[in-house]
Amino acid sequence: DIQMTQSPSTLSASVGDRVTITCRASQTFSNWLAWYQQKPGKAPKLLIYKASSLESGVPSRFSGSGSGTEFTLTISSLHPDDFATYYCQQYSSYSPYTFGQGTKLEIK
Amino acid sequence: EVQLVESGGGLVQPGGSLRLSCVASGFTFSGYAMSWVRQAPGKGLEWVSTISATDGSTYYADSVKGRFTISRDNSKSTVYLQMNSLRAEDTALYYCAKARQLLWIHDALDIWGQGTMVTVSS
Repeated sequence: DIQMTQSPSTLSASVGDRVTITCRASQTFSNWLAWYQQKPGKAPKLLIYKASSLESGVPSRFSGSGSGTEFTLTISSLHPDDFATYYCQQYSSYSPYTFGQGTKLEIK
Repeated sequence: EVQLVESGGGLVQPGGSLRLSCVASGFTFSGYAMSWVRQAPGKGLEWVSTISATDGSTYYADSVKGRFTISRDNSKSTVYLQMNSLRAEDTALYYCAKARQLLWIHDALDIWGQGTMVTVSS
């Protein structure tokens, strides 16, 4: 099975900062990688699919990149609404889907 | 409005059974793979199971294989999760979620319900 490791587990940042979250896979796979945002008490929200495609309605300050075993989610300029927990997920056809352990983005 | 509404959660004793339901509206349910994802209290997300739209193929996490069964009734726009031999570690909020693309099985999940809580305890 493909294991996904996110870093950092917690990230402290300020409004206006540029932040990057990394997700590393235990083995290479095609870019079937998604990023989700989850706020307390709410369901996850899809931000990015296929590693770098922005979901409809998601602000353009969110972007995804990467391939092989290393993927990143970047927020170009943090808004107050962006403080949440972020998860990566691989959805390759040859392995059970797996999520990263999550990155909590906190206000500094 | 595209919506998923889960139900069927509750308190159950170890070794017991429960069936979760997820009713969909606002999209052509029969055309989309559906998944269950769970989240234990204070923990991260864990994929549980997926069922295809076309041939009913099913996929399970190793942690639930042989105990849980996913199914769907397209006439009722509903996906189910039958959970047997429940364990304390199955305690979680269970979300159903829709695949992003029509007819794709292995896909990102673009619509999520609000979840139904399952507690396994004596």
